[in-house]
Amino acid sequence: DTGVSQDPRHKITKRGQNVTFRCDPISEHNRLYWYRQTLGQGPEFLTYFQNEAQLEKSRLLSDRFSAERPKGSFSTLEIQRTEQGDSAMYLCASSLGSGGAFNEQFFGPGTRLTVL
Amino acid sequence: GQQLNQSPQSMFIQEGEDVSMNCTSSSIFNTWLWYKQEPGEGPVLLIALYKAGELTSNGRLTAQFGITRKDSFLNISASIPSDVGIYFCAGQLGMVYGGSQGNLIFGKGTKLSVKP
Repeated sequence: DTGVSQDPRHKITKRGQNVTFRCDPISEHNRLYWYRQTLGQGPEFLTYFQNEAQLEKSRLLSDRFSAERPKGSFSTLEIQRTEQGDSAMYLCASSLGSGGAFNEQFFGPGTRLTVL
Repeated sequence: GQQLNQSPQSMFIQEGEDVSMNCTSSSIFNTWLWYKQEPGEGPVLLIALYKAGELTSNGRLTAQFGITRKDSFLNISASIPSDVGIYFCAGQLGMVYGGSQGNLIFGKGTKLSVKP
């Protein structure tokens, strides 16, 4: 399978715990994006990387959220001290780059987070 | 933040009917993308549009990039039961509107139900 993969698919945690999600993009894609989707809404942009550089992080929801892409391949999204409002689907997408068809973003299956 | 107005919110149609949905914005977009999402999965890219006035087809799907660059529509012809899902429009803002050449802005989706 050469699509975007995410792990885990589902995560249930207790309020106050830290969680980390992993995303593996399509192999030749330089750009990697994180989005959050709540029920009845479209995906909401959080952050993105060009190779290992994080080019936009002002949309991260709070300082409890952080993302890394240390070697320019897979990425992790960490949420510290989870709150019930963090319950959502966390989606990862990747693209070849920017401009025209290079910006076509392909999504993974998502990680469904439930905070009890 | 920026919003896309997507309509209708939901549609209930008979198999074989044609479907039309659209997105509008107060801002100018460089790119319009249409995605389909099924329960528990990530969005799947259907059609991408890059130029004002562009009309693009993908099988029974046809989408257009509005001439003002502030709107787009998606048509599905001769609907079948497997067309069921939520359809999202997504756009990328030009830099002058604060676009970061990265994130997509999504509508809230059109939920399509097809009665056999």
